[in-house]
Amino acid sequence: DAKTTQPNSMESNEEEPVHLPCNHSTISGTDYIHWYRQLPSQGPEYVIHGLTSNVNNRMASLAIAEDRKSSTLILHRATLRDAAVYYCILRRGNTGKLIFGQGTTLQVKP
Amino acid sequence: EAEVAQSPRYKITEKSQAVAFWCDPISGHATLYWYRQILGQGPELLVQFQDESVVDDSQLPKDRFSAERLKGVDSTLKIQPAELGDSAMYLCASSSIQGAGEQFFGPGTRLTVL
Repeated sequence: DAKTTQPNSMESNEEEPVHLPCNHSTISGTDYIHWYRQLPSQGPEYVIHGLTSNVNNRMASLAIAEDRKSSTLILHRATLRDAAVYYCILRRGNTGKLIFGQGTTLQVKP
Repeated sequence: EAEVAQSPRYKITEKSQAVAFWCDPISGHATLYWYRQILGQGPELLVQFQDESVVDDSQLPKDRFSAERLKGVDSTLKIQPAELGDSAMYLCASSSIQGAGEQFFGPGTRLTVL
């Protein structure tokens, strides 16, 4: 299974955009890039996923590099409620395993 | 909004005792997962069901852990006997075969083994 690399932690100010990077240099053609987040004392929550093109939904945007070896999760206006651990995961097709790494712990300051 | 239900939310037990966790997935979701999350780490898949059949239990410690989903709806994960190293959060998730296959997680059961 292809691996991802994320910074251990990041800080952001409330109401500012946040760019969470993820490197996945060994990604294969059938791997989707998934992002989940886990708020304190809760189970993980799906955020967004993509294959090749940039994606937007109500929670975030996903920017995927042209060579697909990296991607960035964008929170357009961080709120205190966005403080969580963010996991970048490569998933084989729509049914492959989710293999969670350590993720990035995002701290949002008021 | 439909949610994955888990019980109990917290469980304290002594080592060598048996424990069981229950999960009720979102209605209509054919795929059910059990994960274990040790403090400070990401969740690790223990077992995956498609309806009532196990499709992946490669990371399940089968000498002490068992999981079943008899009617293809709710599921039970059992540990017997519990060991100190089993202290963790046990998460259940479910997904539909439709769409992107995103997984919906329950709130988890926090197990403490004394």
